[in-house]
Amino acid sequence: QSALTQPASVSGSPGQSITISCTGTSSDVGSYNLVSWYQQHPGEVPKLIIYEGKKRPSGVSNRFSGSKSGNTASLTISGLQAEDEADYFCCSYADSTSLVFGGGTKLTVL
Amino acid sequence: EVQLVESGGGLVQPGGSLRLSCAASGFTFDDNAMHWVRQAPGKGLEWVSGISWNSVTIGYADSVRGRFSTSRDNTKKSLYLQMNSLRVEDTALYYCAKGGSGSYWHFELWGRGTLVTVSS
Repeated sequence: QSALTQPASVSGSPGQSITISCTGTSSDVGSYNLVSWYQQHPGEVPKLIIYEGKKRPSGVSNRFSGSKSGNTASLTISGLQAEDEADYFCCSYADSTSLVFGGGTKLTVL
Repeated sequence: EVQLVESGGGLVQPGGSLRLSCAASGFTFDDNAMHWVRQAPGKGLEWVSGISWNSVTIGYADSVRGRFSTSRDNTKKSLYLQMNSLRVEDTALYYCAKGGSGSYWHFELWGRGTLVTVSS
């Protein structure tokens, strides 16, 4: 159960698009389409924004999208807004009973 | 209102024990897997344990396996985490999280957490 690898930080200007990567192995990210993404603002509870690789829960903006290629999952945020500034965490199936998180990425909106 | 409320956190000495509880309301508890996720101060999220709706599947992170035990009581709509042999590195905010509809593999709803501090 090694943590998934995310960039420590990314940044972008309002209106731009950014992508956050989440790299694992063929045993976790690469094995099934069971990656989820969470947004956490400072002092707040994490919020689910993408599940099963690319599905959005009801109420989540369509500016958020997920994808996967091989052992790397990605979260893309388009039309960046100030309110998107937060920490983002990926999470994946790890084995038949376990999950594993990435280390988290701090998004700064310039 | 759909919510999860954790309790049972506190200050404990290394080697001690604590039992966390999570009370669910506003949804059909026994339809969902449940999980514990923790976050050390200023750090990222760490999955701790998960349990299927019928308690048949229970998983643990390597860091807690053999020391922590997860259980649930569907009649009381409650989730529990028994933590033994606590270490300083177990200090964290412990969140209770509801699995997705029909899925063990993501966290659809989170509680506000209960703080566990392990220190002498």
